[in-house]
Amino acid sequence: GEDVEQSLFLSVREGDSSVINCTYTDSSSTYLYWYKQEPGAGLQLLTYIFSNMDMKQDQRLTVLLNKKDKHLSLRIADTQTGDSAIYFCAELYNQGGKLIFGQGTELSVKP
Amino acid sequence: SQTIHQWPATLVQPVGSPLSLECTVEGTSNPNLYWYRQAAGRGLQLLFYSVGIGQISSEVPQNLSASRPQDRQFILSSKKLLLSDSGFYLCAWSVNPAGTQYFGPGTRLTVL
Repeated sequence: GEDVEQSLFLSVREGDSSVINCTYTDSSSTYLYWYKQEPGAGLQLLTYIFSNMDMKQDQRLTVLLNKKDKHLSLRIADTQTGDSAIYFCAELYNQGGKLIFGQGTELSVKP
Repeated sequence: SQTIHQWPATLVQPVGSPLSLECTVEGTSNPNLYWYRQAAGRGLQLLFYSVGIGQISSEVPQNLSASRPQDRQFILSSKKLLLSDSGFYLCAWSVNPAGTQYFGPGTRLTVL
């Protein structure tokens, strides 16, 4: 079946690294995404990774993909208060091109 | 560059009233278009998607309907709103069904 799971909350101190984890079920997914949602706003695409990659780095963001364990993580280096938001993991389900979202992880950054 | 618009930004409607939410995309042709609802529990539920004018697929049975009268316009409607229709409605577009989806700013609907 289609399922993406994330922990609901994460709290870090400003300047620390944040690691948000996600597990998914479809081993044939082609793309996996991270979106950011600030209060009252739409979803902003942060980054994505193709399923044949293990890692992707984009400035402060590092995405790690473990296909064997179906585990995806997003690391935010030097986390700032402006990074406080809800982060959604999503997999592109190979059957029909449907995007399946996790419940979102609320990141709280304390000064 | 491509942009996606939604309006209104917020809406408060009484139970039983009609609904019309609009989404438009600029800067691309023949996009795939999507309507999602985000309830208070945060999860996003795909409601409808469209691969072209007049082509609508529904993901879940519900009180809502969608239409695509023009290439870059996607409308979400209801004849009679229910309390359970309250939520945050997000429109998204992609180049093709397997493409990255880009989201609009959303419409906050409160049904009283």
